[in-house]
Amino acid sequence: AQSVAQPEDQVNVAEGNPLTVKCTYSVSGNPYLFWYVQYPNRGLQFLLKYITGDNLVKGSYGFEAEFNKSQTSFHLKKPSALVSDSALYFCAVRDIGYGQNFVFGPGTRLSVLP
Amino acid sequence: DVKVTQSSRYLVKRTGEKVFLECVQDMDHENMFWYRQDPGLGLRLIYFSYDVKMKEKGDIPEGYSVSREKKERFSLILESASTNQTSMYLCASSLSPRVGKTEAFFGQGTRLTVV
Repeated sequence: AQSVAQPEDQVNVAEGNPLTVKCTYSVSGNPYLFWYVQYPNRGLQFLLKYITGDNLVKGSYGFEAEFNKSQTSFHLKKPSALVSDSALYFCAVRDIGYGQNFVFGPGTRLSVLP
Repeated sequence: DVKVTQSSRYLVKRTGEKVFLECVQDMDHENMFWYRQDPGLGLRLIYFSYDVKMKEKGDIPEGYSVSREKKERFSLILESASTNQTSMYLCASSLSPRVGKTEAFFGQGTRLTVV
C-alpha cells in the first residue's frame, strides 16, 4: 500500500528566507509524486510533479522539489518565501497500476511572517 | 486550462436528506475522483471512476454512492445525510497515467453542513 507522510503540521518562516516543506513516501514501484497548494476555502492547485528524469523539478510560483530515491523523500523548496505563499501544502503519490489513485499526505500549513 | 466545476460552493442539508453533489470537467479526462477533506486528516478518497459507468470504492465509501453516466460528469450521492458527513468535498479529474499528463485537477470544493 502507498502512503505519504508530512512530518510537520506547521512550518513558520520569515519573508525572504528559504523555505522547505518535507514529504516522505512509501510505494511498491516507481513513484509519481506531486505537490499541491490550497488557499482557504478553495480547491487544490497543482504546483509540480516528478515522474522521471532530473531529480530537481521546477514548478509554479518559484517552487521546486527535490526527489531523493534513497531517502524516499520529495521535499518542496523555495529560495525566498513570500507572505502570499502562506497556505496549506499537500504532497501526493499516484498509483499507476490498477487503482490509479492519488494518495495524499495530511498537509502542512505554511506561515510566512512579514 | 482544465476546468473542474462543482455545482455548489456551500450547502446546508438536514439529517436524513438525500444529497447530490455534482462535478463536471471539460477536458475529456478518463479518471474522476471524489475526496472529503477534514482538518488533520488530509484528503480521503471516497470513490474513483476510471471510465464511464465504472467506479471503484475508495477508503471511506460507506454512506456514499456515485454515478458516472457521461464522461464529463461524476456525481456523489449521500443516500441519507448524517451530521458526521459535514465536511469539505473535493472533486478531481485526470488523464490516465499511462497517457502522459498525470496530475489531477481539482474543483473549488463544496462545503457541506448537515444539521
